[in-house]
Amino acid sequence: GAGVSQSPSNKVTEKGKDVELRCDPISGHTALYWYRQSLGQGLEFLIYFQGNSAPDKSGLPSDRFSAERTGGSVSTLTIQRTQQEDSAVYLCASSLVAKGGDTQYFGPGTRLTVL
Amino acid sequence: GQQVMQIPQYQHVQEGEDFTTYCNSSTTLSNIQWYKQRPGGHPVFLIQLVKSGEVKKQKRLTFQFGEAKKNSSLHITATQTTDVGTYFCAGVRGGSTLGRLYFGRGTQLTVWP
Repeated sequence: GAGVSQSPSNKVTEKGKDVELRCDPISGHTALYWYRQSLGQGLEFLIYFQGNSAPDKSGLPSDRFSAERTGGSVSTLTIQRTQQEDSAVYLCASSLVAKGGDTQYFGPGTRLTVL
Repeated sequence: GQQVMQIPQYQHVQEGEDFTTYCNSSTTLSNIQWYKQRPGGHPVFLIQLVKSGEVKKQKRLTFQFGEAKKNSSLHITATQTTDVGTYFCAGVRGGSTLGRLYFGRGTQLTVWP
C-alpha cells in the first residue's frame, strides 16, 4: 500500500479482555516500531523489529504486552487482560532499512479505550 | 531512562512571534530527526541532520545539529496558526548497531491568532 496502515482504528474493550492490534508496514520496509501515546503525551517506545534480528522488547511495560511480526511484514501487538491504564493511541511506524537514520513512516494509530 | 531530553514541553505564542524547541542527549548521536504531529494526527517526518554543526532550512523552519552532535534545535520564524502541533526530535545513539530511534517527549506549540 501507499503508507502504513493499522487496524482497527478504534477499539473499545472491557477491562480484563484481550485485544489484538494490527500493523501493515510499507512494503519492503524491514524495520517496524510500536509506540504508545497517551492523550497529550509523548511517544512511549514499546518494541522494535529489525529485519530478521531478535526484536528489542525493552519498552514493553509488562508481560501482558507482546508483539510478533510474521514473515517480516505484518505485525500484531497483543495486550492480555487489559487494564484501564492501557487506554491510549497505539502507533506503528516502519522504515526502509534497519538503521535509525532512515525516515520513520507512521500509521494513523489505533485508539484503544478500556472501560 | 529518557535518552533524549526535549524542552520546553509546552509553548504558547502569538502569531508572528518566533518559536524554538531544544533537544539534548547525554551521549553522542549519529543523527537526529525532527517530526511534527498535528492535533489528532500522527507524527510526520520533517528533516534529518547528520553532520556536526549542520544547519538546514525549510522555509520558516531552521534546524541545527550541535558541534558535539549531542544537541539540536528547531526554530520557527514568524509563527503561523498552521504551525500548531507537537514537534518531536528523535536521535540514534552514536555507534549503535541496532539503529533504534529515541524520541524526545515533544514540544506542544500553540499559536494564538
